[in-house]
Amino acid sequence: KAGVTQTPRYLIKTRGQQVTLSCSPISGHRSVSWYQQTPGQGLQFLFEYFSETQRNKGNFPGRFSGRQFSNSRSEMNVSTLELGDSALYLCASSLPGQGPKETQYFGPGTRLLVL
Amino acid sequence: AQKITQTQPGMFVQEKEAVTLDCTYDTSDQSYGLFWYKQPSSGEMIFLIYQGSYDEQNATEGRYSLNFQKARKSANLVISASQLGDSAMYFCAMRGGNYGQNFVFGPGTRLSVLP
Repeated sequence: KAGVTQTPRYLIKTRGQQVTLSCSPISGHRSVSWYQQTPGQGLQFLFEYFSETQRNKGNFPGRFSGRQFSNSRSEMNVSTLELGDSALYLCASSLPGQGPKETQYFGPGTRLLVL
Repeated sequence: AQKITQTQPGMFVQEKEAVTLDCTYDTSDQSYGLFWYKQPSSGEMIFLIYQGSYDEQNATEGRYSLNFQKARKSANLVISASQLGDSAMYFCAMRGGNYGQNFVFGPGTRLSVLP
């Protein structure tokens, strides 16, 4: 079974621009979560989507948004990029309905550099 | 609110020796799941092992085992016979038992295996 895929793997943008990252979950997984990882802040939860609906949301400004399509693929968008948005963005998919045993499987991440 | 604490920012271990990475958690849920992930320098988070709060036996997966002490709210990861490829960041995480609860990650421990 193919794992979680993320595109692009690397991205360089300038301040003020916007960016869209894509995530394809493991086949059959209907939940997709996004995380931002930086050396200073560690791993921070952005949001989670299940069946095209946002199920959970972390504490990030409205510049960060996401969506999920009917095939469970997800995108996240960051508008008006700031230097502090430079990070590794990780996507994870899971199979809902298993309660606390619901395991997240991660993709390779997208490294975003904002200049 | 749920919280994960990993008090060891960095650890060193000699190749072929065993090492224990500490993790303590805080939750008011009766049912919850505990997870360990490995993140090599490539960035991808790799799922290692899972322990349910109601599991009576400690989880094991190959060279990985989880020393689960429910009363102390600790879930330490034990890696036996360390290998050079075990050098990575290790994250402890938990998910509560209520539907739709998101993952909570600890700050991580960087393990370096010495030849």
